[in-house]
Amino acid sequence: LAKTTQPISMDSYEGQEVNITCSHNNIATNDYITWYQQFPSQGPRFIIQGYKTKVTNEVASLFIPADRKSSTLSLPRVSLSDTAVYYCLVYNAGNNRKLIWGLGTSLAVNP
Amino acid sequence: DAGITQSPRHKVTETGTPVTLRCHQTENHRYMYWYRQDPGHGLRLIHYSYGVKDTDKGEVSDGYSVSRSKTEDFLLTLESATSSQTSVYFCAISESIPGARSEQYFGPGTRLTVT
Repeated sequence: LAKTTQPISMDSYEGQEVNITCSHNNIATNDYITWYQQFPSQGPRFIIQGYKTKVTNEVASLFIPADRKSSTLSLPRVSLSDTAVYYCLVYNAGNNRKLIWGLGTSLAVNP
Repeated sequence: DAGITQSPRHKVTETGTPVTLRCHQTENHRYMYWYRQDPGHGLRLIHYSYGVKDTDKGEVSDGYSVSRSKTEDFLLTLESATSSQTSVYFCAISESIPGARSEQYFGPGTRLTVT
């Protein structure tokens, strides 16, 4: 069963690109990788989802190498409003059908 | 934002009392979930539902029960609240299984304090 591991915290500055990596060594063939963003006193909000290679939307990119044992969320040119906690989620679509959440990465964007 | 409401938003209760939290959706999504969130533990799934009267346990289901008699409502019950159940509880919904191009939408949360 996959286990997701991500850094506890990261610091950045406005205008920089931020990359947050999630490790999921035991990911199974049919598992999808999803990232969520959470602000204080709010529920998490979907950012991006992928299965392999690269996915890009209007707010982020998700890079998944061929072995799929990790994934990297890339936030281009962050602003102060990107200060939040970012969660990696692997959905194990096998018999167990488990939702495997990382513990979250607290990103602080400084002026 | 997805139409998800949780009630109550805040509750303080005493050890040993029953507590029921309600999640209501207006999106007609099939899947509904209850999570708890605690410092250092992230999000942990308590129970989920994949249809009316169809529910299954998550990773931290002990001490909790759920019911779903209508598509739009998913109830979480603490039969006899304990201090270890002090937490923030989130409801979530999704159109299909949470992979395969299906995302979860989260409610605003319920802060429960058991004294």
